[in-house]
Amino acid sequence: QVTLKESGPVLVKPTQTLTLTCSFSGFSLTTRGMRLNWVRQPPGKALEWLGRIDWDGDKSYSTSLKTRLTISRGTSKNEVVLTMTNMDPVDTATYYCARTVAIAPGGAFQYYMDVWGKGTTVTVSS
Amino acid sequence: SYVLTQPPSVSVAPGQTATIACGENFIGGRRVHWYRQKSGQAPVLVVHDDRDRPSGIPERFSGSNSGNMATLAISRVEAGDEADYYCQLWDGGSDVVVFGGGTRLTVL
Repeated sequence: QVTLKESGPVLVKPTQTLTLTCSFSGFSLTTRGMRLNWVRQPPGKALEWLGRIDWDGDKSYSTSLKTRLTISRGTSKNEVVLTMTNMDPVDTATYYCARTVAIAPGGAFQYYMDVWGKGTTVTVSS
Repeated sequence: SYVLTQPPSVSVAPGQTATIACGENFIGGRRVHWYRQKSGQAPVLVVHDDRDRPSGIPERFSGSNSGNMATLAISRVEAGDEADYYCQLWDGGSDVVVFGGGTRLTVL
């Protein structure tokens, strides 16, 4: 069974750096084709993709946020870390991690998120 | 870059068919995926690659994609289908994921 769980601070101050961890089980990020995405959702607003890291270490980020984002593997092999610098109240949101099986067993490329964590809510306020 | 346009809301009576649109020029050339998000919960994939359903998703959920519009249809709508629905695709030119603005489905 594939599970993902986000963790991190509930409250951060403006200008601080946010660090969130996605802990996952049921798959390995070192398996060819595996991808881990970060998605956020401000209160009452739409989903916004932040970025992703692949099994081979390849990464991609949202065009509008890429200067502030870093996605990396955690200290544990079953963790991925999202770092967002210079936090602002508009970054208040629920942050999700979600898996993509980017290369199916048959070799086809896939771009959807099949399993999501429950999300963690982050408030930015002084 | 892609901007996926969805109607903010759709209302339908129980037992009827709800249709949720996702528009963008030439979207028919991309694979579109759909997620359901019930209040206070994480999104759940309901249709991928235009028309494929993950295991556990009822046959009432179907998708299509052609020209400038992708569509999610939910037949025999139930009260439990009330949720926000999001379309999504991958922009290969920029290697980024794009979500639509979401559609709130209300069951009357």
